[in-house]
Amino acid sequence: EEQVVESGGGLVQPGGSLRLSCATSGFTLSGYWMTWVRQAPGKGLEWVANINRDGSQSNYVNSVKGRFTISRDNAKNSLFLQMNSLRAEDTAVYYCARDVTHSDISGHYFDAFDTWGQGTMVTVSS
Amino acid sequence: AIQMTQSPSSLSASVGDTVTITCRASQGIRNDLGWYQQRPGKAPQLLIYAASSLQSGVPSRFSGTGSGTDFTLTISSLQPEDFATYYCLQDYNYPRTFGQGTKLEIK
Repeated sequence: EEQVVESGGGLVQPGGSLRLSCATSGFTLSGYWMTWVRQAPGKGLEWVANINRDGSQSNYVNSVKGRFTISRDNAKNSLFLQMNSLRAEDTAVYYCARDVTHSDISGHYFDAFDTWGQGTMVTVSS
Repeated sequence: AIQMTQSPSSLSASVGDTVTITCRASQGIRNDLGWYQQRPGKAPQLLIYAASSLQSGVPSRFSGTGSGTDFTLTISSLQPEDFATYYCLQDYNYPRTFGQGTKLEIK
């Protein structure tokens, strides 16, 4: 069974750091782009970052650029999100998701986040 | 960033009804759009990608249409498990952006 499981969340003070992990199983991680999505309490979904198959390319939402770093270790079947200079507005459940990137006949790719974890809660508060 | 606007924000319907949710992009995004369902306390689930392609395992009562700036998700013959929140997501460019969500409630 294809599965992703997030961990590493918790309570941290403003300005602090946290490293989230996403353990994958049931599929070959190196074959997929991976994504982090977050959801503040009672709010909607927000795309945070993604990373390509070999870790050489990543993209971020503007609000976390320069503070968050997405990385991966394909040999250890793991995805990471290093979060520094945390702010109250970073408080959210953080989801890891696999992106199967379907393509059409012209070679255009579409995101398709088909496998999600249960999420890990990050609370930034003093 | 591209803004995705869903309407309505909430919707009441009965089992067996057909409902339509709309998502509008602030600029043209071809057909680079997905739809996700999120039940309370659960992770989102992929329903549709590329605006109209049904994800494997998703019931055929879910369908998506649209291209450019206007997209729709239609759920026909609503089932009890369909009462949830639905989100659109553009993958035309970065940063990816979700709509604000549409909460579908039982009437």
